[in-house]
Amino acid sequence: EDQVTQSPEALRLQEGESSSLNCSYTVSGLRGLFWYRQDPGKGPEFLFTLYSAGEEKEKERLKATLTKKESFLHITAPKPEDSATYLCAVTGGTSYGKLTFGQGTILTVHP
Amino acid sequence: GAVVSQHPSRVICKSGTSVKIECRSLDFQATTMFWYRQFPKQSLMLMATSNEGSKATYEQGVEKDKFLINHASLTLSTLTVTSAHPEDSSFYICSARDPGSETQYFGPGTRLLVL
Repeated sequence: EDQVTQSPEALRLQEGESSSLNCSYTVSGLRGLFWYRQDPGKGPEFLFTLYSAGEEKEKERLKATLTKKESFLHITAPKPEDSATYLCAVTGGTSYGKLTFGQGTILTVHP
Repeated sequence: GAVVSQHPSRVICKSGTSVKIECRSLDFQATTMFWYRQFPKQSLMLMATSNEGSKATYEQGVEKDKFLINHASLTLSTLTVTSAHPEDSSFYICSARDPGSETQYFGPGTRLLVL
């Protein structure tokens, strides 16, 4: 059974204070690891897809990295508008496209 | 990223009525779409997988006769909550899977309130 664990559950940062969110996973035959951002009352917004260990992707202040056991979402010099819940999910060879989600990390960035 | 729309964004109905929610993939053809339910401060719970031209696959514990799913085209899936009751009140979110990237793109969600 695929499993995803995110840590920490909640993270409070000062504006400009860089940090990382962790996503540990177990999956049979990884087909993709996904990062989403979700604001209250809205659907998840796609950020990144990573397919293999060693892969990295960047978008503005965000950088996602992937190893064989975990993924990190690095946030550089965050701003208050980066406050949201960040969700990590995986899909594997036996998932038929279904995603297994972690519980999310609630990020709050104070001005 | 790709755009997935959902309609309506919010619906209030009386107990016993049926409600239909539409999910459209605007940028690509999605042979597979998914329906989720999300409770406050919880992660998404998969309800069913919707495959174009075939019957939906429901997750364990989801009543298929209550949550009717139709995926009649490569860009449209609908979820009908039949004989809705207050316990069906929730946030319903759909997604469309881009087969080329394995990525699911989510709609903005539909807030259902059953009185």
